[in-house]
Amino acid sequence: DIVMTQLPLSSPVTLGQPASISCRSSQSLVHSDGNTYLSWLQQRPGQPPRLLIYKISNRFSGVPDRFSGSGTGTDFTLKISRVEAEDVGIYYCMQSTQFPLYGFGQGTKLEIK
Amino acid sequence: EVHLVESGGGLVHPGGSLRLSCAASGFTFSNYWMSWVRQPPGQGLEWVANINPDGSVKYYVDSVKGRFTISRDNARSSLFLQMTSLRAEDTAVYFCVRDQSGVGTDSWGQGTLAIVAS
Repeated sequence: DIVMTQLPLSSPVTLGQPASISCRSSQSLVHSDGNTYLSWLQQRPGQPPRLLIYKISNRFSGVPDRFSGSGTGTDFTLKISRVEAEDVGIYYCMQSTQFPLYGFGQGTKLEIK
Repeated sequence: EVHLVESGGGLVHPGGSLRLSCAASGFTFSNYWMSWVRQPPGQGLEWVANINPDGSVKYYVDSVKGRFTISRDNARSSLFLQMTSLRAEDTAVYFCVRDQSGVGTDSWGQGTLAIVAS
């Protein structure tokens, strides 16, 4: 099974400042079809998770452009260009390269300083 | 608009059973893989099971194999999770999730809480 590891586990940030979350997989997420099925999810307090980014860098419908994803192979990053109060929550990376088996990172808690 | 509504959670003793349901609307249910993902209180996400569009193919995480059964009724746009031989470690919010090919888990329900305790 592919193990997903996120760093940091907690990230205090100042409003208006950038934030960055790292995700590393135990093996390459490049699928045989050439795509890399790495997603980022946001879970606000008391809410279900919500898809932000899919296939490394594609923003899902309705996601603000301050969110961006990057990376290749086994190392991936979610960046928020300027953190807003509504961005508080837990962020998960998720691999679906092994679809129909999914794997999630442990989550990174984003909080305001 | 895609809408997924879970029900069926509750308190059950260890060794007991629960049947979770998910009512889907706003899309052609029979065209999509569907999943159950769970989240223990204060913890992260764990994929539990998923099922292909016609219900003929099913996958499970190792920890629930032989105890949980995923199924669907396309005529009623409904997804189910039959949980038996429940353990304390199965305590979690269970989310019904739509799988969009090439995109991933693009729609999540609000979840239903299952508590296994004596």
